[in-house]
Amino acid sequence: DTEVTQTPKHLVMGMTNKKSLKCEQHMGHRAMYWYKQKAKKPPELMFVYSYEKLSINESVPSRFSPECPNSSLLNLHLHALQPEDSALYLCASSPGTSGGGFQETQYFGPGTRLLVL
Amino acid sequence: AQSVTQLDSHVSVSEGTPVLLRCNYSSSYSPSLFWYVQHPNKGLQLLLKYTSAATLVKGINGFEAEFKKSETSFHLTKPSAHMSDAAEYFCVVSVWQSGYSTLTFGKGTMLLVSP
Repeated sequence: DTEVTQTPKHLVMGMTNKKSLKCEQHMGHRAMYWYKQKAKKPPELMFVYSYEKLSINESVPSRFSPECPNSSLLNLHLHALQPEDSALYLCASSPGTSGGGFQETQYFGPGTRLLVL
Repeated sequence: AQSVTQLDSHVSVSEGTPVLLRCNYSSSYSPSLFWYVQHPNKGLQLLLKYTSAATLVKGINGFEAEFKKSETSFHLTKPSAHMSDAAEYFCVVSVWQSGYSTLTFGKGTMLLVSP
């Protein structure tokens, strides 16, 4: 099973709202990722968690706050977003233990389509 | 440093004809190469990955890719296109960072399939 699940599938929020995106995997992977994807562009890395610790924060604004409560779950808390934050948010996971190469494959979830009004 | 160049932003084929999506890479190390497919409003699905066991890699849905080190290429092919193949395709180089990997994406190639 190589499934990564994300909820919700769609989200509409105002600029003053607080919401959260959720990502879950049960493959025993120890690395989890958040990406942002704008239309007709490749995904852009936002955050990486490895063994529940934040390893990469790609200079993402503080209105995005990641959280990794355990090795299977990854959240992205959203607050005071701007319309330009509207995008597809993708979660991915990878083993994190393989030493690299083709074994370190990232598996993506279906994404959350976010619209900020 | 890693880089990926997808040589065509759009490729148009007729159903039943061959598909060729071109990808060239640059990597400081022995590369970890992947192709992902993204259908409209969907996540990325792994199509195939280069494992170094063979230069010709078979993936899902009849797709193949050939690793050519001398040409630094990893082109994706399919003998006969199907309407359901219409999607965005990304060529990706992966680098191990100790505990996780970082991906370098090509800009993507949109495959259009006409009846």
